[in-house]
Amino acid sequence: EAQVTQNPRYLITVTGKKLTVTCSQNMNHEYMSWYRQDPGLGLRQIYYSMNVEVTDKGDVPEGYKVSRKEKRNFPLILESPSPNQTSLYFCASSTTRKSYGYTFGSGTRLTVV
Amino acid sequence: AQKITQTQPGMFVQEKEAVTLDCTYDTSDPSYGLFWYKQPSSGEMIFLIYQGSYDQQNATEGRYSLNFQKARKSANLVISASQLGDSAMYFCAMREDLGNTPLVFGKGTRLSVIA
Repeated sequence: EAQVTQNPRYLITVTGKKLTVTCSQNMNHEYMSWYRQDPGLGLRQIYYSMNVEVTDKGDVPEGYKVSRKEKRNFPLILESPSPNQTSLYFCASSTTRKSYGYTFGSGTRLTVV
Repeated sequence: AQKITQTQPGMFVQEKEAVTLDCTYDTSDPSYGLFWYKQPSSGEMIFLIYQGSYDQQNATEGRYSLNFQKARKSANLVISASQLGDSAMYFCAMREDLGNTPLVFGKGTRLSVIA
């Protein structure tokens, strides 16, 4: 089944404790992206990657890191999480064609206390 | 500048009635794609419908249709014969063709279907 798998689904952590949210896709998509969703703000892009070893900042990159060492994986790293990073996070992948929408993962609900 | 505008934070519709969710967009790229996604209370993002900027016909997918008015830069979603299961957040999104730009989302409209 074609899918984007992100883990964990739910995570509660403390301020300053480094964490990684994993994302993997099995569709050989070039394009992968991380979004965060906050009430009233819609989905905002954090980082994206157009291919292996190619990453770039989205609209809200502060406090996040990513890497793309393999085509299928695109982990999101929070080196020192803060409460304002409490949010619902989505990983998504796509081909580079404009007519192709994104396939989304199931989401990770992160709470930083 | 905001590229996707959804002016209706919330909407109510009676079951079996049709409802239109508004979306306007802003781009200078002549080639772009417009998308609608549904997000039920369970949280997942479900792709509903796609419209390309050069498509002559309005897109339709079952009970979903996209009222595309290019000159007005609007891409409204029409849901016919609403069902209780249509209650969800709905997001309009756009992807420009130039430079492999990302999918940009509006802030969403929460639709509530009333029995």
